[in-house]
Amino acid sequence: GAVVSQHPSRVICKSGTSVKIECRSLDFQATTMFWYRQFPKQSLMLMATSNEGSKATYEQGVEKDKFLINHASLTLSTLTVTSAHPEDSSFYICSASYGRVGDTQYFGPGTRLTVL
Amino acid sequence: DAKTTQPTSMDCAEGRAANLPCNHSTISGNEYVYWYRQIHSQGPQYIIHGLKNNETNEMASLIITEDRKSSTLILPHATLRDTAVYYCTPVAGGTSYGKLTFGQGTILTVHP
Repeated sequence: GAVVSQHPSRVICKSGTSVKIECRSLDFQATTMFWYRQFPKQSLMLMATSNEGSKATYEQGVEKDKFLINHASLTLSTLTVTSAHPEDSSFYICSASYGRVGDTQYFGPGTRLTVL
Repeated sequence: DAKTTQPTSMDCAEGRAANLPCNHSTISGNEYVYWYRQIHSQGPQYIIHGLKNNETNEMASLIITEDRKSSTLILPHATLRDTAVYYCTPVAGGTSYGKLTFGQGTILTVHP
């Protein structure tokens, strides 16, 4: 299957700083990438959908100015958590797909963010 | 989007078949049924998907009822490494282009 990587796998930062998380599709071109968030003992929640070269579409309740998403190429999407606070601590997971009808999403390994 | 209902948890003996049911009675005609699993602290892993016909791959089999209101994921010979949370999720094949909605899933525990 297709491989998706994320970097970093784990990050600890101070409150008020910004953190960038990278998501890469290693062996295919991902027209569409998705960002999810997962709090402890909860299911994944979709945050936003991004198509290469377009602005991301955010789910209701997700602040677009706080979670900046860039999908500048067919193999790379980035999520920047701006002015992070302890309540932003979570497991952030990206997925990628070819973006065609009925396509499969392939997930990255996730990034554990801890904001002190 | 269709809602899904899955058992909260299931147990299975190693080497036996694990049959995980999912109810998706409000599924629409253009929604595929996708199954993923998530091992603790990892990203979800794609298992299998189908639209109307039963499907089989190297990991599992997917049985979809004729009315498409429910499906069953079958792991033919469960191993300890199959212990995970299993998610069943309908995905619209149209403009959503693979937008997944995860419920609470089924915690499958495979024991020796």
